[in-house]
Amino acid sequence: QVQLVQSGAEVKKPGASVKVSCKVSGYTLTELSMHWVRQAPGKGLEWMGGFDPEDGEMIYAQKFQGRVTMTEDTSTDTAYMDLSSLRSEDTAVYYCTTRYYYGSGWYFDLWGRGTLVTVSS
Amino acid sequence: DIQMTQSPSSLSASVGDRVTITCRASQSISRYLNWYQQKPGKAPKLLIYAASSLQNAAPTRFSGSGSETDFTLTISSLQPEDFATYYCQQSYSTPPYTFGQGTKLEIK
Repeated sequence: QVQLVQSGAEVKKPGASVKVSCKVSGYTLTELSMHWVRQAPGKGLEWMGGFDPEDGEMIYAQKFQGRVTMTEDTSTDTAYMDLSSLRSEDTAVYYCTTRYYYGSGWYFDLWGRGTLVTVSS
Repeated sequence: DIQMTQSPSSLSASVGDRVTITCRASQSISRYLNWYQQKPGKAPKLLIYAASSLQNAAPTRFSGSGSETDFTLTISSLQPEDFATYYCQQSYSTPPYTFGQGTKLEIK
């Protein structure tokens, strides 16, 4: 059974960086297309970026370009999302999720349980 | 960027009711439209993909329809466990892969 296990909650000060991890079990990371979605308190879902297997590289939402870096350690089957220059508006639950392909389309299939990142002075 | 607009934003209904939620895309996305259900404190779960294909574990009272810019999610007979927030999401072509703002379904 495939599971995505995320790291624990974080509290950061404005201007700091946070690195959230997502460990895959029951599969290898190279078989998956890992993405990150966040959700601010009481708000909707926001796609941040992830691995595009067609291009073989990470793609990021324009909103986060220059502040976010997504990496993967295939030796430990762990994906990471690093967000810098944190501000209060980055307070959110951050989810890792896998993109599953069917025919010509795809959807977000498996999800981690989420990691709450709180940005507060 | 493709904008996804759901309506209504919130909805009160009773167990046994038939409920319809709509999602409109700002441009044609063919049938690259997915629906998710999210309960408080939990990660989203896929219900419908490709506009009308039911995910394996989803109950058959859920159905989806539509194409191009207009889509609907229908729950034929509401059950207590269906009270949640529902999101549409487009997976068409290039990113960003936007979600609708969500529809919160509450008990009347």
